[in-house]
Amino acid sequence: GAGVSQSPSNKVTEKGKDVELRCDPISGHTALYWYRQSLGQGLEFLIYFQGNSAPDKSGLPSDRFSAERTGGSVSTLTIQRTQQEDSAVYLCASSYGREGREGFKAGYGYTFGSGTRLTVV
Amino acid sequence: AQTVTQSQPEMSVQEAETVTLSCTYDTSESDYYLFWYKQPPSRQMILVIRQEAYKQQNATENRFSVNFQKAAKSFSLKISDSQLGDAAMYFCAYRSGETSGSRLTFGEGTQLTVNP
Repeated sequence: GAGVSQSPSNKVTEKGKDVELRCDPISGHTALYWYRQSLGQGLEFLIYFQGNSAPDKSGLPSDRFSAERTGGSVSTLTIQRTQQEDSAVYLCASSYGREGREGFKAGYGYTFGSGTRLTVV
Repeated sequence: AQTVTQSQPEMSVQEAETVTLSCTYDTSESDYYLFWYKQPPSRQMILVIRQEAYKQQNATENRFSVNFQKAAKSFSLKISDSQLGDAAMYFCAYRSGETSGSRLTFGEGTQLTVNP
């Protein structure tokens, strides 16, 4: 698609429920990133995909968080047994995944989606 | 680990005036990239300007320019002729050039208000 698409735009869930957040990256972008942005704060890295594999999942805050990517395209972030502290905006970004200056010139400063605002009540 | 610090939680500027947003970072790497992103209420992060660490020349994009001081690890953003549409949250970000697939590390952000 023309941009990174995230769904749903907003999600309200009850504490203890599971939620799935979806990210549809730009076609051809091999790298995909998930970030979390708590109210009034900067972005916190969660996980990075290159193709379907996740070489860096060091930012996932607990084992309640998991993510997968299929077909080198759509990614799903799943939060199990949601807690109130999980309330945040979850942002997805994609890029060509090229490294070094070639990637920089290609503008691999990422393209972000508009995020999913998750509210746990 | 790299860190990015924005010491100004909020800034304001009069329309048509100039404002400078501060950013410092900490790294032991020599190859890296720095970015400024703008986040309006729509939540989407918009790339404003970017800088390669190996280039001494400061990047410029129309009304936006940076003052990159590599030795001081400082990367400030100057917005000239401020417009109402510049009002947003601004984030400074760092990306390693030495690690494959490295993530962006963001500062805490500066909320910019533009007064008419």
